[in-house]
Amino acid sequence: GESVGLHLPTLSVQEGDNSIINCAYSNSASDYFIWYKQESGKGPQFIIDIRSNMDKRQGQRVTVLLNKTVKHLSLQIAATQPGDSAVYFCAENRAQGGKLIFGQGTELSVKP
Amino acid sequence: DSGVTQTPKHLITATGQRVTLRCSPRSGDLSVYWYQQSLDQGLQFLIQYYNGEERAKGNILERFSAQQFPDLHSELNLSSLELGDSALYFCASSVGGDGTEAFFGQGTRLTVV
Repeated sequence: GESVGLHLPTLSVQEGDNSIINCAYSNSASDYFIWYKQESGKGPQFIIDIRSNMDKRQGQRVTVLLNKTVKHLSLQIAATQPGDSAVYFCAENRAQGGKLIFGQGTELSVKP
Repeated sequence: DSGVTQTPKHLITATGQRVTLRCSPRSGDLSVYWYQQSLDQGLQFLIQYYNGEERAKGNILERFSAQQFPDLHSELNLSSLELGDSALYFCASSVGGDGTEAFFGQGTRLTVV
């Protein structure tokens, strides 16, 4: 069935280290991908997105990499801070209107 | 603050009842999306409206319905509620109708007892 899956359900990093959160997607026809951050009790917060005609996109302290060959997406967070602790979701859009398919999420825990 | 407003924040109701969740999109956004988040199913797409018209539909139960009004706010109606309907319900909005750059509200936590 359709799915966007995450390799690791939990990730623990030391403050100041870089974090890498991975995501696999199943449909090679997907053409748009988004990363969201969700803190406890809040709604998903848009972090960064990338279209399938790109391999890499950078934002403030975050980079998203897209490998279409192996259908893999990653989110890199530089100099991870305690405020980055949250659940991170990847989502894909399959050009079927506005439907986003979400992964199950990775919980990032930052140790001071 | 994403600019998407959802009310109420919390709702507790009994099985068999009917509730209405409300969403006001960001200023200028024409699309509204509804998602359900539960522990066992994650974030699931329910339905999308674009400028008052239904644009896309997910696995939304027949007991659930939604609409988008001329002022672009949207309501999600849940009827004949069951215990399993307890979840977080999120609304998101975007300028266009293709799901890109969708911003989420803070959600409504529905508890069915």
